Amino acid sequence: KQEVTQIPAALSVPEGENLVLNCSFTDSAIYNLQWFRQDPGKGLTSLLLIQSSQREQTSGRLNASLDKSSGRSTLYIAASQPGDSATYLCAVDHADTDKLIFGTGTRLQVFP
Amino acid sequence: DAMVIQNPRYQVTQFGKPVTLSCSQTLNHNVMYWYQQKSSQAPKLLFHYYDKDFNNEADTPDNFQSRRPNTSFCFLDIRSPGLGDTAMYLCATSRSTGLAGETQYFGPGTRLLVL
Repeated sequence: KQEVTQIPAALSVPEGENLVLNCSFTDSAIYNLQWFRQDPGKGLTSLLLIQSSQREQTSGRLNASLDKSSGRSTLYIAASQPGDSATYLCAVDHADTDKLIFGTGTRLQVFP
Repeated sequence: DAMVIQNPRYQVTQFGKPVTLSCSQTLNHNVMYWYQQKSSQAPKLLFHYYDKDFNNEADTPDNFQSRRPNTSFCFLDIRSPGLGDTAMYLCATSRSTGLAGETQYFGPGTRLLVL
């Protein structure tokens, strides 16, 4: 059974810091891994999708890496801003079921 | 230019009183999903439609039903809500499934409170 874990559960940093969010999964049989952002009381916004054959994806200040063999992904946020404050969810598309399995997220607060 | 729309955004209902949540999309996507997300928990897939084909998750209670009358609309019916059904309900769409490398587009969610 695929399980997705995100560490840390919460993170508070001053504006301008570079930070790393971690995601691990137990079964390497995945089609892709995705990172989402969720603002309080809102839906999810897709940030980055990494195919199983890829090692990383970049979008603006965000960079996500994937090491499928070790079951790990990281989301790197450069020069954090207060507007980055949100919960970041990692999800893997499990090859056995072709469905997204989510982690419980990392709640990020960036203070001025 | 909203792409996935959910109505209502907030719904309060009484224990046992049926409720219907609505989702519509302007993306003409083939797949529509319903997730349940309880406070501080991961979204949990309830079921999804691939075109007209309905796919129920094994652990989705019978109390939860869904309808997709056309490509654009999908409904979540909760026949007899219990207190434990209080949650955010998220609708999502995708052109195809993860095998094809497609991401999911989420609506803003409906926050349901069962009293």
